[in-house]
Amino acid sequence: KNEVEQSPQNLTAQEGEFITINCSYSVGISALHWLQQHPGGGIVSLFMLSSGKKKHGRLIATINIQEKHSSLHITASHPRDSAVYICAVTLFGGGATNKLIFGTGTLLAVQP
Amino acid sequence: DGGITQSPKYLFRKEGQNVTLSCEQNLNHDAMYWYRQDPGQGLRLIYYSQIVNDFQKGDIAEGYSVSREKKESFPLTVTSAQKNPTAFYLCASREAAGSYEQYFGPGTRLTVT
Repeated sequence: KNEVEQSPQNLTAQEGEFITINCSYSVGISALHWLQQHPGGGIVSLFMLSSGKKKHGRLIATINIQEKHSSLHITASHPRDSAVYICAVTLFGGGATNKLIFGTGTLLAVQP
Repeated sequence: DGGITQSPKYLFRKEGQNVTLSCEQNLNHDAMYWYRQDPGQGLRLIYYSQIVNDFQKGDIAEGYSVSREKKESFPLTVTSAQKNPTAFYLCASREAAGSYEQYFGPGTRLTVT
């Protein structure tokens, strides 16, 4: 079993829909990251959070430390949101490495 | 603009040849990382470096080598000993100890035939 699990693996939505991507982890963490990878391959960091909720534009990320679960929400989805969304965690007590453990990603396609 | 550059974007090599992937950052970050991405799998750590002239093996270091002679540069060599070198390679950097956020480069897709 992977230490970071994402669901769903694939998601197709219609433009304007509210989207939720889930991430569960089984290890102690210092931080959780949501990343976006476009077809070209480059990765952009969307959020880094260790508690509560963060919002940036139409994107909202929440984390429940007790339940070891995080969600990424996209409101009013748009075709340009189509990408792979990756959840990653920084291990607690990972030392100077600050090693990230990655989920396998959620492929989102938003259709016009 | 500050960021991480990786070159080239696409690289093709024949089996048995060593190949070096470039990673340069102008963010003045201390730590740098190399990850490998394969279809259906999460990114996996190959090597990391916290400071110039120091680097450590990650989870899948076999068949790879790195150097860190300058703060801004962290090249990765894929040697002929790497059994399955075809993959997407990502370089990342982090500001300093205590900072959890990593910044990623655009990646290099290596195909070995």
